Amino acid sequence: GEDVEQSLFLSVREGDSSVINCTYTDSSSTYLYWYKQEPGAGLQLLTYIFSNMDMKQDQRLTVLLNKKDKHLSLRIADTQTGDSAIYFCAESNSGYALNFGKGTSLLVTP
Amino acid sequence: DTAVSQTPKYLVTQMGNDKSIKCEQNLGHDTMYWYKQDSKKFLKIMFSYNNKELIINETVPNRFSPKSPDKAHLNLHINSLELGDSAVYFCASSQGLAGQTQYFGPGTRLLVL
Repeated sequence: GEDVEQSLFLSVREGDSSVINCTYTDSSSTYLYWYKQEPGAGLQLLTYIFSNMDMKQDQRLTVLLNKKDKHLSLRIADTQTGDSAIYFCAESNSGYALNFGKGTSLLVTP
Repeated sequence: DTAVSQTPKYLVTQMGNDKSIKCEQNLGHDTMYWYKQDSKKFLKIMFSYNNKELIINETVPNRFSPKSPDKAHLNLHINSLELGDSAVYFCASSQGLAGQTQYFGPGTRLLVL
């Protein structure tokens, strides 16, 4: 199947910005998503971006999409300890299921 | 007011047993999914149903059988459980197909001993 790649770990200090990166291979991806999973919890949809957009901002979250390079990033401004979680990038095209990356574990230290 | 709910939340059972996991959504969606998350947190689609019809059946052992009695429910029955079935199983739903936003349940943590 198509690949979605993410770095596995990111550590930032509280108050700094976090940037989580994702690359994908399917050029027909129409929607790209960011989900958050806290320890022992389910998946929470954070935000998504349609492939004809290059940026989307939602409060502390900024999503950047470079469709040419098939690169997606999630920036969290003023990162808090409560943001510590696993962040999954996912893509969807004309298929009926989401194709997930392996998740980036974000650790926010005081 | 839970949107996508799953029962049970935890399931511990012996190898060889048969078990079922239930999923219900009250969002009025017509498409439901089962995903498996392994011990390394990797999430992979197992099945998808649209209007009670099976539309995705990934390479999953036929010991796994999904059943959709109506559009709001998608249950997963697993026969002859094996150690490797231990994982977290997530149900999700969406309205329509092809890239529609999927909303996930809280997961069922299955441990096979």
